[in-house]
Amino acid sequence: NAGVTQTPKFRVLKTGQSMTLLCAQDMNHEYMYWYRQDPGMGLRLIHYSVGEGTTAKGEVPDGYNVSRLKKQNFLLGLESAAPSQTSVYFCASSYKGSDTQYFGPGTRLTVL
Amino acid sequence: DQQVKQNSPSLSVQEGRISILNCDYTNSMFDYFLWYKKYPAEGPTFLISISSIKDKNEDGRFTVFLNKSAKHLSLHIVPSQPGDSAVYFCAVPGNTPLVFGKGTRLSVIA
Repeated sequence: NAGVTQTPKFRVLKTGQSMTLLCAQDMNHEYMYWYRQDPGMGLRLIHYSVGEGTTAKGEVPDGYNVSRLKKQNFLLGLESAAPSQTSVYFCASSYKGSDTQYFGPGTRLTVL
Repeated sequence: DQQVKQNSPSLSVQEGRISILNCDYTNSMFDYFLWYKKYPAEGPTFLISISSIKDKNEDGRFTVFLNKSAKHLSLHIVPSQPGDSAVYFCAVPGNTPLVFGKGTRLSVIA
């Protein structure tokens, strides 16, 4: 039982490049989330999903897209990376919206 | 719109003493509140929660207090241990499933 896993753990991009971050959970959770953590800013929700095939915008969705084609996976895409997207990205999942969220170990992304 | 404020970015406490971390929120229509703990290079982990029908919930050395009229949460850690050194986030439901505060970095000094 791996819980929530994220790939990759680290990545360096140049401005304008694209990439996809993968989140996987093996707890059969309905809800999945993508957050970013920046110094002094706490955890800010980018997008989330309440079930397979659904997505919803969070607090800071601009510049990101997401997809939830399978219940266990939640993908976060950056189509044209910008230095402002340098951050640590965390994926989380929960059974319901009101339940405890379980977080992955994070992906550290640097955009040069 | 739910706003969650943790006004102390950092807190330093001696080992064995009490640590008190505070959190204020703006929208009281929701019925549960949570604290998460985060170590460096790891994801946040759930620590303790409280339902709005209670004013106190205890789990070992950790106690969360809720003052609904003041829209205020506090987390007490007694006695504080060096392994408690971490960033603590309070989280409250809002327009999205959870809104997190900016966190308080607790340092417990041996």
